[in-house]
Amino acid sequence: AQKITQTQPGMFVQEKEAVTLDCTYDTSDPSYGLFWYKQPSSGEMIFLIYQGSYDQQNATEGRYSLNFQKARKSANLVISASQLGDSAMYFCAMREGSDYKLSFGAGTTVTVRA
Amino acid sequence: DTGVSQDPRHKITKRGQNVTFRCDPISEHNRLYWYRQTLGQGPEFLTYFQNEAQLEKSRLLSDRFSAERPKGSFSTLEIQRTEQGDSAMYLCASSSKTSGGGYEQYFGPGTRLTVT
Repeated sequence: AQKITQTQPGMFVQEKEAVTLDCTYDTSDPSYGLFWYKQPSSGEMIFLIYQGSYDQQNATEGRYSLNFQKARKSANLVISASQLGDSAMYFCAMREGSDYKLSFGAGTTVTVRA
Repeated sequence: DTGVSQDPRHKITKRGQNVTFRCDPISEHNRLYWYRQTLGQGPEFLTYFQNEAQLEKSRLLSDRFSAERPKGSFSTLEIQRTEQGDSAMYLCASSSKTSGGGYEQYFGPGTRLTVT
């Protein structure tokens, strides 16, 4: 079974607007971590934000925030005030329990329009 | 501030040849990971080291693949008798207990392998 599902293959957003990228996950382990990475066309994976399963508050890092809904098993990424440099592929990933490896979704391509 | 580095960045090889990739993690990170990413997909886990010990290998890592981290610093990934299906981006990442509350993994630029 797919552990991470990203249902939006591609999205367009106008510069300066906000965009929400969907991510749902599947795990039976009560302890897990959720991550978002950005991959520009250059190929390097850039860590954006982390949410732990026991964290009470939604994570925020600058213009990135994570909308964590534990009961729905969703961890959507919100990018506020989009910039042209935000155009990239975005991946949601999960780490389960004491396991250190990450399971990635298929990604969402974001294109920011001027 | 030196991040994760990988060498080479690109490799073109003929089917049947052996290739070796190198990864240098962030210096204070004790965990090192290898992933493979094919076009349009997310990275898939291959193997993971804690210091010099290889603690987990994916089923994706056939017996043609071998990885080492001899002194707990840099790591090498070797593919023997390459096949066209091995064409992919090979990503290395590192982390430590202090890299972040979630043991965030920091990735290198990747090695793009093309098998002709």
